[in-house]
Amino acid sequence: QQPVQSPQAVILREGEDAVINCSSSKALYSVHWYRQKHGEAPVFLMILLKGGEQKGHDKISASFNEKKQQSSLYLTASQLSYSGTYFCGTEVFAGGGADGLTFGKGTHLIIQP
Amino acid sequence: DGGITQSPKYLFRKEGQNVTLSCEQNLNHDAMYWYRQDPGQGLRLIYYSQIVNDFQKGDIAEGYSVSREKKESFPLTVTSAQKNPTAFYLCASSIKVRGNEAFFGQGTRLTVV
Repeated sequence: QQPVQSPQAVILREGEDAVINCSSSKALYSVHWYRQKHGEAPVFLMILLKGGEQKGHDKISASFNEKKQQSSLYLTASQLSYSGTYFCGTEVFAGGGADGLTFGKGTHLIIQP
Repeated sequence: DGGITQSPKYLFRKEGQNVTLSCEQNLNHDAMYWYRQDPGQGLRLIYYSQIVNDFQKGDIAEGYSVSREKKESFPLTVTSAQKNPTAFYLCASSIKVRGNEAFFGQGTRLTVV
């Protein structure tokens, strides 16, 4: 079952901040975040494994609320290079096995100069 | 250079024919995945494999088949039973199934006419 992402699309001016949300109806083992530019393969941003953990690099960070099965990706002072489609991927706790890495429908982020 | 290779980049087939998409990795990863990407649908999991000679169905396995005879290779066959095969197909791999970054190939765009 795909996680649910919101919003579907965001248009920002360079330097503005953005938040992308991801939620699941199942108990999550991990949350992944990837960015895909048009015609290219998705590129890994970060993975969150523990409840309440927040990770980040540069001006992109993320949080994971294990109790609510939710994660948010924060893009601070956005740059033109941040444009693309952002996907959250989730792995659930499954009895005795793995359900594989399942992705949401994506959030299109457009950064304007 | 280590990586994951999908071939060909573009593939055309006539309706009713089976077609096999190639995916090879030299990263020594145990886990491999196949995703289908359609506009507005995100990445949908077709099949994944945790280890050689083992694979599990994802969310949209109907009309597809896979094999995992070698650690490096995870070919996907799109059968004539798949009603809407035209799509962009992405292969990925990770060290293990749970909690690890996934590396993606550049994808194969399949068009069935």
